[in-house]
Amino acid sequence: QSVLTQPPSASGTPGQRVTISCSGSGSNIGPNYVYWYHQLPGTAPKLLIYRHNQRPSGVPDRFSGSKSGTSASLAISGLRSEDEADYFCAAWDDSLSGVVFGGGTKLTVL
Amino acid sequence: EVQLGESGGGLVQPGGSLRLSCTASGFTFSEFAMSWVRQAPGTGLEWVSSISGSGGRTYYTDSVKGRFTISRDNSKNTLYVQMNSLRVEDTAVYYCARIGFDCGSSDCPAWFDFWGQGTLVIVSS
Repeated sequence: QSVLTQPPSASGTPGQRVTISCSGSGSNIGPNYVYWYHQLPGTAPKLLIYRHNQRPSGVPDRFSGSKSGTSASLAISGLRSEDEADYFCAAWDDSLSGVVFGGGTKLTVL
Repeated sequence: EVQLGESGGGLVQPGGSLRLSCTASGFTFSEFAMSWVRQAPGTGLEWVSSISGSGGRTYYTDSVKGRFTISRDNSKNTLYVQMNSLRVEDTAVYYCARIGFDCGSSDCPAWFDFWGQGTLVIVSS
């Protein structure tokens, strides 16, 4: 059971906008930054969003992050087939004194 | 170009030990905190441990406290994790990751901006 809660799956058609939620608590998402990663099968994870809503260089602006209270969301607009991957949220947890991840969301592009 | 390369994985019996290494290049190693993150087969990501840039602060997930030790040699641009008393549930791909900031006095952000390709650790009799 992951400390951060994500839906196990999400789907959309090409061109559509999809959002992936990440629910936490007052010890992790509430006071700390949220980060998002995606992972293609058989490859290492890659950073998508840092500090709630910042994109590293090279990440398209189709990807955006937001946070409200103890929850965060990743939005992907203009969905493309290459966006099909697993997506994970993460944050520091003050109570655990460690990093916690969401269980991951498998995004399928129909 | 930032590059991270793990080594040292393999098959080990329960109760055994293994040391993983991660060699870094393309950045000033001592200025960044580093971390180990693992992924058991078919499952999600699990943070294992982080270490500050100087090596003076370390953090561990509860399940490895007392068994794993993270360390770094800034003169060799290398990160390590010594894993003792290994359990079947430690079986996973272990990734080293650079943290995009140094650790603070009481936290170490979940900001893993570069990752290695991973090394597989299998704990089995």
